[in-house]
Amino acid sequence: AQSVAQPEDQVNVAEGNPLTVKCTYSVSGNPYLFWYVQYPNRGLQFLLKYITGDNLVKGSYGFEAEFNKSQTSFHLKKPSALVSDSALYFCAVRDDNYGQNFVFGPGTRLSVLP
Amino acid sequence: NAGVTQTPKFQVLKTGQSMTLQCAQDMNHNSMYWYRQDPGMGLRLIYYSASEGTTDKGEVPNGYNVSRLNKREFSLRLESAAPSQTSVYFCASSFDRSFGDQPQHFGDGTRLSIL
Repeated sequence: AQSVAQPEDQVNVAEGNPLTVKCTYSVSGNPYLFWYVQYPNRGLQFLLKYITGDNLVKGSYGFEAEFNKSQTSFHLKKPSALVSDSALYFCAVRDDNYGQNFVFGPGTRLSVLP
Repeated sequence: NAGVTQTPKFQVLKTGQSMTLQCAQDMNHNSMYWYRQDPGMGLRLIYYSASEGTTDKGEVPNGYNVSRLNKREFSLRLESAAPSQTSVYFCASSFDRSFGDQPQHFGDGTRLSIL
């Protein structure tokens, strides 16, 4: 079975400081991992994905994520947070076995304080 | 660039009423999905359509039906609404579900309240 956890409901960070939003996953095969962002009253927007290759992937708006197979983690990071980064962030995982659907985490609310 | 369009954006129903949520995408995607979003639970898959002419149950299909009207449109129907179906409903599409490396594109949601 596939599952994904986001251990923090809320992350607060000061503007200009680095931010990390955590995600851990469980799949039986190899994972496809995604991060999405949701702004108020909007749908989810794709930020970045890990499929294979380099463990550090770069995405939209200066975000990056680090895949760690031994820790089954895929943490989202940004070197310098902006107030406009305040939003709800979702991690999603899918097993690379054919026929699977994505499973989404419960979301982490990021607040960047000016 | 319209992407995925959902109608209506808001709706209030009484228990037992029926309604259909509409979704259309203009990206020529093969696969479409319906999710519900509830606080602290992330997104849960209700139904999906891997390709035109096919539909399959997701994680929480009870109380819902779907129709893949054509390649562009995928509707979700509540036959007899219940308060437990109060939620935000999102439609999404992707190029092809069999390619798991493709991101999903989401509409802006329908906020449904059932009294």
